[in-house]
Amino acid sequence: AQSVTQPDIHITVSEGASLELRCNYSYGATPYLFWYVQSPGQGLQLLLKYFSGDTLVQGIKGFEAEFKRSQSSFNLRKPSVHWSDAAEYFCAVTSNTGKLIFGQGTTLQVKP
Amino acid sequence: DAGVIQSPRHEVTEMGQEVTLRCKPISGHDYLFWYRQTMMRGLELLIYFNNNVPIDDSGMPEDRFSAKMPNASFSTLKIQPSEPRDSAVYFCASSNGTEYEQYFGPGTRLTVT
Repeated sequence: AQSVTQPDIHITVSEGASLELRCNYSYGATPYLFWYVQSPGQGLQLLLKYFSGDTLVQGIKGFEAEFKRSQSSFNLRKPSVHWSDAAEYFCAVTSNTGKLIFGQGTTLQVKP
Repeated sequence: DAGVIQSPRHEVTEMGQEVTLRCKPISGHDYLFWYRQTMMRGLELLIYFNNNVPIDDSGMPEDRFSAKMPNASFSTLKIQPSEPRDSAVYFCASSNGTEYEQYFGPGTRLTVT
């Protein structure tokens, strides 16, 4: 069965430091992969997506993610975190039936 | 574009009452999804529609939950009767197709006392 694992429930980084959020997926075929961000009291906003092609994808707000098939991973990165990046981040995978399977989310706290 | 619109944003009701949540998808999108988010279970897909037809309702928790999409611009999720364990944030999302990203509404926070 398809699944997504985000090993880190909570991460704290200092403002200006680099960030990497981990995501591992389980899916038999080529996955469609997404990262969403959810600010408190808000809906989910798409940061970036991977369907095919270049395994390093760029998203909004300076985020990027790298698809590594051999590791079944799709980690999210940002070189320098801003206080406004504090939020919950969700990795998701979808099959061609259209169902999005979400990870349990990683809460990012940014220290001043 | 106004994005996905959900109403109400907040709903407080008593156990046993009927609750109706509403969603207006982005114009032109032919897929509509209903999700529920709780601390314990995270984000769960309840049901989704394609061209107003329910495709997969395997996530609907029980018969107290029902969803309809009478036209391309409107969907409802109804809970009757409501129970305290239904308290959650309910999201609606829409997309252009299964291979495209889903756009989420702001959610409805439901509290059942």
